[in-house]
Amino acid sequence: AQTVTQSQPEMSVQEAETVTLSCTYDTSENNYYLFWYKQPPSRQMILVIRQEAYKQQNATENRFSVNFQKAAKSFSLKISDSQLGDTAMYFCAFMKQFVQGAQKLVFGQGTRLTINP
Amino acid sequence: GAVVSQHPSRVICKSGTSVKIECRSLDFQATTMFWYRQFPKQSLMLMATSNEGSKATYEQGVEKDKFLINHASLTLSTLTVTSAHPEDSSFYICSARAVKAPSPGEQYFGPGTRLTVT
Repeated sequence: AQTVTQSQPEMSVQEAETVTLSCTYDTSENNYYLFWYKQPPSRQMILVIRQEAYKQQNATENRFSVNFQKAAKSFSLKISDSQLGDTAMYFCAFMKQFVQGAQKLVFGQGTRLTINP
Repeated sequence: GAVVSQHPSRVICKSGTSVKIECRSLDFQATTMFWYRQFPKQSLMLMATSNEGSKATYEQGVEKDKFLINHASLTLSTLTVTSAHPEDSSFYICSARAVKAPSPGEQYFGPGTRLTVT
């Protein structure tokens, strides 16, 4: 079974700073997907960024980027120029390669990120 | 596009009664919908996977007779909590995977339903 571990329950930084959230996972699969989701106080889950394991290049979405280390099974999220609206719970998630009707997401415990003005 | 709604957003029911939560994909067809449960300050725990027109697949430890899931159409899945008890109080979230997902694994989440059992 796959497991996802987020070792930082809470983090806090000042606005405009850069912050990195850690995530490690355990799997015997070779092909899979990794995700970072954001859950603001509204509780709506929002996809932040996605990484396919077969891609060596790290995914980037505007101020959000990942550091994907496949051998180390590490998948950290870097938020640059942090904004107040980035305050949220962040979940790292794993999914095995697409199999018809069997795409389950396995979530980490979450990291509560607070951006201070 | 790709909006998922849940109804109701909040519900309070008395112990012993049943409550139904609807999950709808508003602008796409979903072959698969997922139901999660989230306790305060905790992560999402998958309860079950439902595929349109077939029985739901429940995760280990989830009582299928207590949490009834029906995925009768490509745009609607329902979760019925039967004979609810206070320990069933939680935040329930659904997600949907489009028939033609733009990216593998693309899931769209509903806004969640807060259930309180008194």
